Amino acid sequence: QVQLQESGPGLVKPSETLSLTCTVSGGSITSYYWSWIRQPPGKGVEWIGDIYYSGNTNYNPSLKSRVTISVATSKKQFSLKLNSVTAADTAVYFCARAPGYVPLSWFDPWGQGTLVTVSS
Amino acid sequence: DIQMAQSPSSQSASVGDRVTITCRAGQSITSYLNWYQQKPGRAPKLLIRAASSLQSGVPSRFSGSGSGTDFTLTISSLQPEDSATYFCQQSYSTPYTFGQGTKLEIK
Repeated sequence: QVQLQESGPGLVKPSETLSLTCTVSGGSITSYYWSWIRQPPGKGVEWIGDIYYSGNTNYNPSLKSRVTISVATSKKQFSLKLNSVTAADTAVYFCARAPGYVPLSWFDPWGQGTLVTVSS
Repeated sequence: DIQMAQSPSSQSASVGDRVTITCRAGQSITSYLNWYQQKPGRAPKLLIRAASSLQSGVPSRFSGSGSGTDFTLTISSLQPEDSATYFCQQSYSTPYTFGQGTKLEIK
């Protein structure tokens, strides 16, 4: 079965760039949409954006100016970069797979999540 | 963005109880509503997709219903392992949005 695993620094300084990678194992990266989703401590879940294996991206307008999602199909990885971070970007970051674009955009599976703290 | 409102925010029920959680969308999302279960420190797990389709491997005591703006997740007979937070997500349009969650505790 497909498994996703996030990796990257757990601490980022304010104004710097948050960088995370999600590695896909046990299945193909092609023909699916791959999302980044975050959950601030004690708060609700926010969709950041997604990428198709071909490289087409969709971003949440609330974060679009600061977000870049990329894919490396040969490595079965996709990545998130969020620049100019502040404390408000502190959250558990999840990667997840969706079978398609709107409306086939349910997320299954999810990675286990990684906590990223923005602090000096 | 489509706002998703869940109720209640928390609930306590006994083993064997029938439990209902509601999700209301700010506009019609037809049937494009998904439900997830999240246990502390764990990744969310898809329970129901497209309002009423049970995801493979999910116990049949979970069911979903609704269309338009009002949706319901029902647990027909609550089990101890169902203690978790449940949240909804609309996949009708981007940006995909989620409900704030319902924390379900076992009495």
